[in-house]
Formats: sequence, C-alpha cells, structure tokens
Amino acid sequence: AQKITQTQPGMFVQEKEAVTLDCTYDTSDQSYGLFWYKQPSSGEMIFLIYQGSYDEQNATEGRYSLNFQKARKSANLVISASQLGDSAMYFCAMREDMYSGGGADGLTFGKGTHLIIQP
Amino acid sequence: AAGVIQSPRHLIKEKRETATLKCYPIPRHDTVYWYQQGPGQDPQFLISFYEKMQSDKGSIPDRFSAQQFSDYHSELNMSSLELGDSALYFCASQLLTDTQYFGPGTRLTVL
Repeated sequence: AQKITQTQPGMFVQEKEAVTLDCTYDTSDQSYGLFWYKQPSSGEMIFLIYQGSYDEQNATEGRYSLNFQKARKSANLVISASQLGDSAMYFCAMREDMYSGGGADGLTFGKGTHLIIQP
Repeated sequence: AAGVIQSPRHLIKEKRETATLKCYPIPRHDTVYWYQQGPGQDPQFLISFYEKMQSDKGSIPDRFSAQQFSDYHSELNMSSLELGDSALYFCASQLLTDTQYFGPGTRLTVL
C-alpha cells in the first residue's frame, strides 16, 4: 500500500491565488514527520516545511503552511498568494520512527504534484 | 549558509562501467542519505549513514555500495552499470533527527 498519496498529478492556478496541494499518509507509527519539498525544473530538491506528529500547531513558513489533520492522516500544503516562481513539482514525504535518536530512516515520497502558476 | 555539495554534477558512463559519486554534507551534520530519482519518478531511498555507520537500507541494488568517511563525506559506488541506472542521484544530510537537506544532485547517464 502507498504510504504517501498525492491525488493531484497536475494543477493549474492563477497567479496570486491560494493553492492547496493534497497529501494523505499511512503509518502505524506514533512518532513520524511529514515534509514538503519543491523541485523546480532545474532539478534541485528544496525543503519547504515540516510537521511533527506530536506538534499541536500547524507549521507555517512564510507563504507556506501545512494543514495537519492527524485523525484524517492528511498533511496538505497551502501556498498563499501564489507567484510564477512557485511553478514546480511538489513532493510530500514522510519519515517514520522520527524521534529515535541515532536512527536514520529514509524518507518515503509521494508521486508529486506538478503545479503550474499562470499569469 | 553552507549547503550539501555533490560531485560530479553530471556523469556519462557506458554500460558495465563503474561510477563513484561523492557527497559532502553540511558541516556538523552527522547523517547522510542517498536517493535515486528516475525520470518522472519520485525519489527512492537507497541507503543512510549515521556517524559513519550504515544505518538504514532501502532499495539499493547489490551492485551499489556506499560508505561514510571520517570527515563525514560519503561516496556511492556503482558497478556494472545498466541503462536503468540513469537517474538523478541525491545526497541529503541531517543533524540528529532534524530535517534532511538535499544537495543539487548528480545526473548519471548510462549509454
């Protein structure tokens, strides 16, 4: 079964509108972390935002916020006031067993959402 | 701020050749990860090292091996290269249980 599901392969959004990118996850761990990365066409993987499973507040980083609904196992990324430079591939990722000191579990990624911002 | 450094950035090899990719983590980061991203795919975790010891293993082929050295840099060694190994290879570094920061990647093309 997919551990990370991103149901929107592609999205077109008008500049300056807000965008919500969906992400649902599946884990039986109690401690885990959820991450969003942006990958422009140039290829680099840019960290955007992180939410820990024990965090009670939704994470925010500038124009990015994470709508974390633990009971629904969803971690949607919200981009406010979208810009042309936001056009990129966006990946949701999870690390299980997050707080085991010394552990180095790899991230599991979703298939990504290709976001295109139109002027 | 210092970022993860990967070299080379681009590499072209023939089938059955070997390749070595290098990764220099962010200073003071103690954990290194390797990922493979095929064309149009999501990144797949290969292997990780914590304090120079192998920590976790993902979908790394037996033809690949990796190690982390005393200065914390890491190398991914790939032998008997196949066409399907053509991909973008990322190294990421992390401090303790913090966020993984990715390098710019090495684009490997196998002809």
